[in-house]
Formats: sequence, structure tokens, C-alpha cells
Amino acid sequence: ETGVTQSPTHLIKTRGQQVTLRCSSQSGHNTVSWYQQALGQGPQFIFQYYREEENGRGNFPPRFSGLQFPNYSSELNVNALELDDSALYLCASSLLGDSSYEQYFGPGTRLTVT
Amino acid sequence: GDSVTQMEGPVTLSEEAFLTINCTYTATGYPSLFWYVQYPGEGLQLLLKATKADDKGSNKGFEATYRKETTSFHLEKGSVQVSDSAVYFCALNLGGGADGLTFGKGTHLIIQP
Repeated sequence: ETGVTQSPTHLIKTRGQQVTLRCSSQSGHNTVSWYQQALGQGPQFIFQYYREEENGRGNFPPRFSGLQFPNYSSELNVNALELDDSALYLCASSLLGDSSYEQYFGPGTRLTVT
Repeated sequence: GDSVTQMEGPVTLSEEAFLTINCTYTATGYPSLFWYVQYPGEGLQLLLKATKADDKGSNKGFEATYRKETTSFHLEKGSVQVSDSAVYFCALNLGGGADGLTFGKGTHLIIQP
């Protein structure tokens, strides 16, 4: 069974640029969620995708957007990067309909905005 | 809105000591509750979970009981090891998942030999 993978591991961008982060879900999972974890904080929910559509969103502006592909892999896109976007971005996959809502997390992408 | 409050760290203990990390929650319904652990440089790993009141989750010697009357889900372990040093996050989810997990700020646990 393949776990959740993310790429790249680290990324450095300049304020105002755009970035795309990638995630491959765990085999058999149909839902992917993205979280932002600032240094020393707990993860904050950005959004969730199911059947290639966004079906839940946290308190993040529209410049955070995503995609889910038919193979359940996913992208997180952030436009007009700000310094406060510097964080660890975590992807998590799960099986919608699983009443326990168990999510499996990838190792994360560390984004630094300068 | 929904929220999770957990004790501030760092928590420093000696090996073989008893561990308690407090977690309380506020939620509009009946959430599922989770403890995740994050080792240095890694993502989050699910440690244990409970989906309804009075359920006890357990794994690797850790336990937590879902207490609806006190809205709590405290993490305990009878004898900690140096390898338990990590950051522990309490989290909840409502409504089957579309709102994502709501996490506490995390508790950094340091176990000294």
C-alpha cells in the first residue's frame, strides 16, 4: 500500500509569485484535503476535494485554489504569494463515507516566501 | 465556531514517567476526536481516535477517552520513553469530513533519559 506523497519537499518563492504544490493520495482513497501549518502552530484546514470538486473550505482567500485529478492526485495553487504564506503545507487523503474520518497525511512541502 | 484547546508546552518528563496531555473542545454537534503525533521533520501520524462518547482510543501504550460531559479527550501514557518525544496534536471533525479537521496548537513533549 502506497502512502501519501508530496512534492517538492522544499520550495523558496518571492512575494507576488505563484506556486503549485503536488500530492498523491493513498491507494483506495477518494478524498484529498490540504492544510497550512505555520511554525509552532497546528494545521489549518484550507479545502477538501472529492470527485474532482471542492466540497469544503476553510477560512482561506480565493488565491488559494486546488485541483483533484481522476487518479485522485491533487494540486494546491497559491497566487500572489505573501510573506505570511510561508509554512508547511500538508496534504491528507481519506475515504469519504468512512464514519471515523481517518485522514492520512503526507510529509509536507515547506514553502518559504521571501 | 469549533475549536480545540490543549495544554501549552513544552512538557518535559523523565523516562518512565506518567504522561497526561489535556485537550478540551468546543463543537456544535458530536465530533469525532483524534490525537496526531508529529516527529521532527515529518508529517502527522494518527495516534488514536474515538468517534462517540465514552469510546476509548488506544495505540502504542497511549490512551484517551471521549468525555462528552466535560468535552475532553485527554491523552495518557503510563510510562513514556525517549522515543515518544514529539509534538502531539488534538483534533476534531464534525459532519463527516467536509469541514476538515480542527486542530489544537500542539504540545511539544520532551522525554529525558
